[in-house]
Amino acid sequence: KQEVTQIPAALSVPEGENLVLNCSFTDSAIYNLQWFRQDPGKGLTSLLLIQSSQREQTSGRLNASLDKSSGRSTLYIAASQPGDSATYLCAVIYNQGGKLIFGQGTELSVKP
Amino acid sequence: EAEVAQSPRYKITEKSQAVAFWCDPISGHATLYWYRQILGQGPELLVQFQDESVVDDSQLPKDRFSAERLKGVDSTLKIQPAELGDSAMYLCASSLAGRFSTDTQYFGPGTRLTVL
Repeated sequence: KQEVTQIPAALSVPEGENLVLNCSFTDSAIYNLQWFRQDPGKGLTSLLLIQSSQREQTSGRLNASLDKSSGRSTLYIAASQPGDSATYLCAVIYNQGGKLIFGQGTELSVKP
Repeated sequence: EAEVAQSPRYKITEKSQAVAFWCDPISGHATLYWYRQILGQGPELLVQFQDESVVDDSQLPKDRFSAERLKGVDSTLKIQPAELGDSAMYLCASSLAGRFSTDTQYFGPGTRLTVL
């Protein structure tokens, strides 16, 4: 079964810290991987999309890496801010045109 | 900036009642998705449309759920009868390209369903 796992389920850090969120997937033959942000009670906002041929993508203070051979992706957030507090979801697509398979998310809290 | 619209935002119903959710994707987006997200979990795809055609409904409980996208634009998801376990956030998403592409999916704000 193709599964996506995110650990930890929750993370609390002080403002200004650099942090890493982890995502693992059971089948390394992915087509692409996306990181999303979800604020409480809201929909999802796409942060970064990494194609299977890429190793990383960057947007502002966010950097996502992909290691297909180990079945892992990380989302690095630099200089965290209270406004970064949200749930971060990782999702993979295994086939072109296929559906997104989501992890359960990591709830991040950045304390002022 | 164009957005995916969903209504209602919140719905409370009693079990055995019928409920319906509406989604209007970003203009020009050919692919539309309905996801269900149980509290504390990631979203799970219920149904995917390419224009007006269903391309994946393998996880849709067809005995009680139905979905349509008659003119290939907006879409309705219906539950009849609702059960307690249907309480969840129902998310709609759309993407620009056709079935054999994996453009970024844009999500609406969701409909929070509570079944009493």
